Amino acid sequence: GQQLNQSPQSMFIQEGEDVSMNCTSSSIFNTWLWYKQDPGEGPVLLIALYKAGELTSNGRLTAQFGITRKDSFLNISASIPSDVGIYFCAGQRGNDKIIFGKGTRLHILP
Amino acid sequence: DGGITQSPKYLFRKEGQNVTLSCEQNLNHDAMYWYRQDPGQGLRLIYYSQIVNDFQKGDIAEGYSVSREKKESFPLTVTSAQKNPTAFYLCASSALYSGEQFFGPGTRLTVL
Repeated sequence: GQQLNQSPQSMFIQEGEDVSMNCTSSSIFNTWLWYKQDPGEGPVLLIALYKAGELTSNGRLTAQFGITRKDSFLNISASIPSDVGIYFCAGQRGNDKIIFGKGTRLHILP
Repeated sequence: DGGITQSPKYLFRKEGQNVTLSCEQNLNHDAMYWYRQDPGQGLRLIYYSQIVNDFQKGDIAEGYSVSREKKESFPLTVTSAQKNPTAFYLCASSALYSGEQFFGPGTRLTVL
């Protein structure tokens, strides 16, 4: 079946650093979504992207819908301790159910 | 407040027993989903429902059963046929065909 390749699998960064992660697929998607999961909680939607080339921000987060429609990127600027968690990308084709990537675990070093 | 609730947060069961996990939403969403998450792993779809009295198997439905008798409720039963039931179970809901899913807080099931 369809798969999303999310990278990196984990990141260890210093507080204040910028973060970049991405998601790629061999298939085209019409919608890209980014979720964040805090430890022991359910994921929360951060950003939804609906148009190729779209660049959307949510506070310190910025996500882009790749022009080929086969990838998406999430950037976090000036990381803070509460950014710790797992970030999931998800893609959707038409009205199909969404497919999740395996997540990027973000760790922030004191 | 609108939202999606799961109960209980932690659940312990003996091997061989069936157990039912609760999921309720008051967001008026047509679609509801159950996911399983293992330590260090992503989200795997167990079952989903787009309308009352109808549901479809996801990627790992074996050993699980669901019902959708009311729009607001989508309980998941983990049966004794599920080989490795210990996991974190997440319920979600969305508008029909939307990828914007709202997740509950999860139930951590431990089978002893």
